[in-house]
Amino acid sequence: QKEVEQNSGPLSVPEGAIASLNCTYSDRGSQSFFWYRQYSGKSPELIMFIYSNGDKEDGRFTAQLNKASQYVSLLIRDSQPSDSATYLCAVKEAGGSQGNLIFGKGTKLSVKP
Amino acid sequence: DVKVTQSSRYLVKRTGEKVFLECVQDMDHENMFWYRQDPGLGLRLIYFSYDVKMKEKGDIPEGYSVSREKKERFSLILESASTNQTSMYLCASSFHGQGGYEQYFGPGTRLTVT
Repeated sequence: QKEVEQNSGPLSVPEGAIASLNCTYSDRGSQSFFWYRQYSGKSPELIMFIYSNGDKEDGRFTAQLNKASQYVSLLIRDSQPSDSATYLCAVKEAGGSQGNLIFGKGTKLSVKP
Repeated sequence: DVKVTQSSRYLVKRTGEKVFLECVQDMDHENMFWYRQDPGLGLRLIYFSYDVKMKEKGDIPEGYSVSREKKERFSLILESASTNQTSMYLCASSFHGQGGYEQYFGPGTRLTVT
């Protein structure tokens, strides 16, 4: 069973700090990696995707991918209370059914004012 | 912007009723998905479809069926609703192609079966 693992949290950081969210995956051949943000009672919203090893930056968000270690992370700089949400990591496995993603159970982030 | 809409935000049904949940996307996506989300269990895939009239079982298809008669519309059917189907139901869609596959979600339907 291919898996995506995330620490469930809650991860608590003070306002203005860097929040670091981590995700590991079991399928070494995985190709595409996604981060979703989900506010309580709402649906997941895509915030980042990354396909290549290294860093990808978008505003205050940076996704980091290390395929050798099967590890993907999301950094949120200058964290704001509005960043408080659950963050889901998703992985497109190699050779998997068309378009299917494997989702982690999410990490709950709390940013304290 | 990708837009995925779902027919209801909240729904209350009685045990044994037949329930229809509809999902419509406006981006000409080939792939469409139905998930349910429960506390502590994460997102679980019920059914998916990669083309009109095509459907594939996900991880938890029991008690559900789907219909995709048009590319933009994917329906989830609870044949005889039971209390253990009380959940948040999420529809998503995505392109099919190299390097893509990012899924876009609708707002969700919170279904309560009493």
